[in-house]
Amino acid sequence: DAGVIQSPRHEVTEMGQEVTLRCKLISGHNSLFWYRQTMMRGLELLIYFNNNVPIDDSGMPEDRFSAKMPNASFSTLKIQPSEPRDSAVYFCASSFGSDQPQHFGDGTRLSIL
Amino acid sequence: RKEVEQDPGPFNVPEGATVAFNCTYSNSASQSFFWYRQDCRKEPKLLMSVYSSGNEDGRFTAQLNRASQYISLLIRDSKLSDSATYLCVVNSRGATNKLIFGTGTLLAVQP
Repeated sequence: DAGVIQSPRHEVTEMGQEVTLRCKLISGHNSLFWYRQTMMRGLELLIYFNNNVPIDDSGMPEDRFSAKMPNASFSTLKIQPSEPRDSAVYFCASSFGSDQPQHFGDGTRLSIL
Repeated sequence: RKEVEQDPGPFNVPEGATVAFNCTYSNSASQSFFWYRQDCRKEPKLLMSVYSSGNEDGRFTAQLNRASQYISLLIRDSKLSDSATYLCVVNSRGATNKLIFGTGTLLAVQP
């Protein structure tokens, strides 16, 4: 079975540019999570969805960040405009419920110059 | 107080040693507990769930102490390949029911 699929694996772009990260859930999972990980702050939950509905977006840093789930199997995380402090590894994870074990994608390594 | 707290380590142990990590959690209503493993530059992966009665998976044993609100992970006969960061995970029973990840404990097994 395919796991959580994220794209791109790496992204390097200049500050001010729009960045879109993509995630495909494991088939049948109904909860989707976006995390950001840095050395300084560890793994931070940005937002999560249950059944395509955003439940908790309290971790989204600011209005420059937005996330959508247009259907049950796909989600995007957008940063516009991007800033150097957004540089991090962004993980997407999915599960059968918000308190069930999560399966992570390989992550997107984002560098904003 | 953080919802989930772990000693960041590093724990440097020789091959073959037994090592134990503890993790404390603040929400007494938490019901789901897990240990994840994260290798350098990789994604976190589920190592094992933690059950009330304790559970074992090969060289790994997980325990839950509800009275003191901590979970533990014991690794016996450490291998070089066990070197990784171990993340304690607890569900939050607040306004939204979600998993809270600890910051991790770094284990380095030395030859």
